Amino acid sequence: DQQVKQNSPSLSVQEGRISILNCDYTNSMFDYFLWYKKYPAEGPTFLISISSIKDKNEDGRFTVFLNKSAKHLSLHIVPSQPGDSAVYFCALNSGNTPLVFGKGTRLSVIA
Amino acid sequence: DTAVSQTPKYLVTQMGNDKSIKCEQNLGHDTMYWYKQDSKKFLKIMFSYNNKELIINETVPNRFSPKSPDKAHLNLHINSLELGDSAVYFCASRRSQTGDNEQFFGPGTRLTVL
Repeated sequence: DQQVKQNSPSLSVQEGRISILNCDYTNSMFDYFLWYKKYPAEGPTFLISISSIKDKNEDGRFTVFLNKSAKHLSLHIVPSQPGDSAVYFCALNSGNTPLVFGKGTRLSVIA
Repeated sequence: DTAVSQTPKYLVTQMGNDKSIKCEQNLGHDTMYWYKQDSKKFLKIMFSYNNKELIINETVPNRFSPKSPDKAHLNLHINSLELGDSAVYFCASRRSQTGDNEQFFGPGTRLTVL
């Protein structure tokens, strides 16, 4: 039973446009939400995070939005660049629990 | 300066063999993990260690035995390998069990069981 769902396995976006990656969760106990980026043959690397007390966190081209009532998390990348092409995982936890990951969305930014 | 390192990066072996994967972190973190990414691409927690003590074992078969000789190392031993063990295994670390929720991952070890 998946607690964290990324329903789009892949996404293609033109360079310069906005990329929107989505993540839904079922467990309302989650209070910390992260996005990881993964290139082939490498481990996931941390990108951006948000705690449950906020609904938006911005870092340069990356913005994470949290809608707690809908149990929905999204990552916006604008403008998208070819180097952003990777697999993006949302990961959630609460307190001292390990991260629970979504299945990932493969983003392809086309030049 | 690799924060979390794993060896080997690739491991190909026959069914029934015993193998080990090593993990080291130089971040001074207290908590370390092993994750498995299977063919369906899910990253699933296997084990969690805090200060060399096992705190989580997510119903992993007892053929898998983690060993933490010190806080900086968490090795994974696998006995009697099976075809279904083929996956990418990621080691990760975190500053502590609580707070600082970011986990740092190693590059992964791709295990292929023939």
